[in-house]
Amino acid sequence: DQQVKQNSPSLSVQEGRISILNCDYTNSMFDYFLWYKKYPAEGPTFLISISSIKDKNEDGRFTVFLNKSAKHLSLHIVPSQPGDSAVYFCAATRGGQGGKLIFGQGTELSVKP
Amino acid sequence: NAGVTQTPKFRVLKTGQSMTLLCAQDMNHEYMYWYRQDPGMGLRLIHYSVGEGTTAKGEVPDGYNVSRLKKQNFLLGLESAAPSQTSVYFCASSYLGPLDTQYFGPGTRLTVL
Repeated sequence: DQQVKQNSPSLSVQEGRISILNCDYTNSMFDYFLWYKKYPAEGPTFLISISSIKDKNEDGRFTVFLNKSAKHLSLHIVPSQPGDSAVYFCAATRGGQGGKLIFGQGTELSVKP
Repeated sequence: NAGVTQTPKFRVLKTGQSMTLLCAQDMNHEYMYWYRQDPGMGLRLIHYSVGEGTTAKGEVPDGYNVSRLKKQNFLLGLESAAPSQTSVYFCASSYLGPLDTQYFGPGTRLTVL
């Protein structure tokens, strides 16, 4: 039972354009969502997060949007740069769960010059 | 600061052999986690710890044991390795728990023949 799903295994975007990565979840009890970025042969690194009390959070070129009614979140990268090429994981958790992050399968983003 | 380190980086085991993966963090974090990453599955939580001397089960705990005897170390043991445990293992730590940024180690690639 995949509670967090990233249905696009890969995405290819031209440098300078917008990248949109999508994530769906099934558990309505999740109240905190995160995006992690992973380069080959390295561990994931935290990118951006959003609480369920918000519908948008922005950090530089990265914006995460949350649509609770649709149980959907998306990560927008504008403008996309070749260094953004990596695997992006979305994750979700409930407050008080003691550390149980549930990850999606990941989307591999390729930004072409 | 070294951050989160994992030992070893690579290992090949035969079915039935045992081994221990070591995770160490120098950030004085309370929470530590062990994940495994498999193709198409994202990261799945194996076990976690909310403080020295404590451990708890994650999503996929079967076949693994853990210990947190010292705050800075979190050990993952495989008593009798199986080919299904072939995976990349990541350790992570955080200061306050799931709503705090998790810092990941570089990973251990384990192959069980």
